[in-house]
Amino acid sequence: GAVVSQHPSRVICKSGTSVKIECRSLDFQATTMFWYRQFPKKSLMLMATSNEGSKATYEQGVEKDKFLINHASLTLSTLTVTSAHPEDSSFYICSAKRGEAFFGQGTRLTVV
Amino acid sequence: AQSVTQLGSHVSVSEGALVLLRCNYSSSVPPYLFWYVQYPNQGLQLLLKYTTGATLVKGINGFEAEFKKSETSFHLTKPSAHMSDAAEYFCAVGGNDYKLSFGAGTTVTVRA
Repeated sequence: GAVVSQHPSRVICKSGTSVKIECRSLDFQATTMFWYRQFPKKSLMLMATSNEGSKATYEQGVEKDKFLINHASLTLSTLTVTSAHPEDSSFYICSAKRGEAFFGQGTRLTVV
Repeated sequence: AQSVTQLGSHVSVSEGALVLLRCNYSSSVPPYLFWYVQYPNQGLQLLLKYTTGATLVKGINGFEAEFKKSETSFHLTKPSAHMSDAAEYFCAVGGNDYKLSFGAGTTVTVRA
């Protein structure tokens, strides 16, 4: 089956630093990847749509300069949280689309 | 625009009893509808989905859901709950682009 892998699964970073999260489609090529954010005990919110070779499309209210998305190849998209603050602490989940969408296992980001 | 309403943030059932999770949606295009399960600190696992065709959809682990266009509903059921069904369940709606809008989630607890 289609496997989507996120790395790291868990990361703790200091306030003010940047952290990169990778989303890889392991056995298929994904023209489109999506990034979601899940607050504690809350639903998932779509942050942005990432298309290979073009700029990401951000949802309303999502700061594109803070959440940098790069879709460098058909199997890799990265989300970089820049100048992280404690309020950025969250669970970030990606999905990769080829025909249908497949979810990664998520990344727990804690900013201290 | 698309949205999902999950009725009941928490459902408690006895082992062996019927599980019923309610989901209503709104969509300006023919909807694709999904149910996902999430275990603590993990990503999303697809239980089942409706895209087109048969309105009664069978998924994994004995779950099924019925798409009722007239009621804009996609309720999830399982005839007999198992302890392993304790988890968070999300209903989601999207189009064939797989940009998903999620409901707030329903926490299922199973009593022995």
